[in-house]
Amino acid sequence: AQSVTQPDIHITVSEGASLELRCNYSYGATPYLFWYVQSPGQGLQLLLKYFSGDTLVQGIKGFEAEFKRSQSSFNLRKPSVHWSDAAEYFCAVTPLNFGNEKLTFGTGTRLTIIP
Amino acid sequence: EAEVAQSPRYKITEKSQAVAFWCDPISGHATLYWYRQILGQGPELLVQFQDESVVDDSQLPKDRFSAERLKGVDSTLKIQPAELGDSAMYLCASSLASASGSGEQFFGPGTRLTVL
Repeated sequence: AQSVTQPDIHITVSEGASLELRCNYSYGATPYLFWYVQSPGQGLQLLLKYFSGDTLVQGIKGFEAEFKRSQSSFNLRKPSVHWSDAAEYFCAVTPLNFGNEKLTFGTGTRLTIIP
Repeated sequence: EAEVAQSPRYKITEKSQAVAFWCDPISGHATLYWYRQILGQGPELLVQFQDESVVDDSQLPKDRFSAERLKGVDSTLKIQPAELGDSAMYLCASSLASASGSGEQFFGPGTRLTVL
């Protein structure tokens, strides 16, 4: 069965500093990978996704993620965080077979931004 | 911009009572999902519909939970009777179903359920 691990439960960074959120997955083949962001009390918004091709993908709000097959990782990065980036971030995978697009999520990383 | 609608946004109920949540997916999205998100965890799939048919309900506690999507558009998730452990955020999502599949699921704002 596929699984996703986000080893950092909570990360605190200063505004303007760089950010990297870790995500490791376990799956028999290359899965399709996603990062979602969730503000308090809200639903999830897609930041970016990886299906194939260039392993460095760009997303919204200045985020990017790099797929590394050898490390089974899909880490999220941002060069300079803003106070509005404070939220919960979820990595997710899916086998993306037609008719079965079930997402398996990690437990999330809560990001706190300090002035 | 089209959005997934959910209601109510918040629901407080007492254990053993019945509760129902409603979801209206983005127009044209054939696939609809209900997820449960317990505080401090990631969402977990409860049930997936393709049009009006259930594709996956393996994680749905069928003794107390039911879900329907009668006309293949909006959907209702019901819990009867509610238990303390059902307190969670219930998220609805929808996606286009196609042979290539974009994989992108669009989420609604969720319903926060508190069982007292």
